[in-house]
Amino acid sequence: SYVLTQPPSVSVAPGQTARITCEGNNIGSKNVHWYQQKPGQAPVLVVYDDSDRPSGIPERFSGSNSGNTATLTINRVEAGDEADYYCQVWDSSSDHRVFGGGTKLTVL
Amino acid sequence: QVQLQESGPGLVKPSQTLSLTCTVSGGSISSGGNYWSWIRQHPGKGLEWIGYIYYSGSTYYNPSLKSRVTISVDTSKNQFSLILSSVIAADTAVYYCARGRYYFDIWGQGTLVTVSS
Repeated sequence: SYVLTQPPSVSVAPGQTARITCEGNNIGSKNVHWYQQKPGQAPVLVVYDDSDRPSGIPERFSGSNSGNTATLTINRVEAGDEADYYCQVWDSSSDHRVFGGGTKLTVL
Repeated sequence: QVQLQESGPGLVKPSQTLSLTCTVSGGSISSGGNYWSWIRQHPGKGLEWIGYIYYSGSTYYNPSLKSRVTISVDTSKNQFSLILSSVIAADTAVYYCARGRYYFDIWGQGTLVTVSS
């Protein structure tokens, strides 16, 4: 089955840029979606189809995808961005929806 | 604005059946070509997609759970439901309903289901 690998944690100072990676075999050929989950809350979609943002998501959130790595970038990080972030793809070969293991973003 | 709300028992005994319902408000479950999914999250762990249903009743399930899962829809009540049979302790999780087939743009708040005698 298709596997997505994320770093367990990323730390960044307020105002700086956070980059959260999601690695998978030839992930650049798939559409990648990103979710933010704060403690005790449901996940929220922050980026879909590699780089599109749902309405209401700040422009500070952006995504890219190429080769074997997709990246969620959060510019001008704020304390409120502290959360777990999950990447997700649809694996067409298995028709399975796959999530990465999640990355805990800590704002220092 | 479409909202989702899960409901059902918070405690299920091993070997019994877990049954949850998701009520859709603010829009019709039959409109817009939308698909409706169930996703779960084991305590302190990541997310696992369980399956989806279309308003017409067509379904697709995670192969790892397929033998125990049934998802159904009741368009008259604007609801869809999850049944997971023969539950074990490892089925203890927060269960979310969500809108989407390839990605999930609206989620319910989630409901914790504990499997224990």
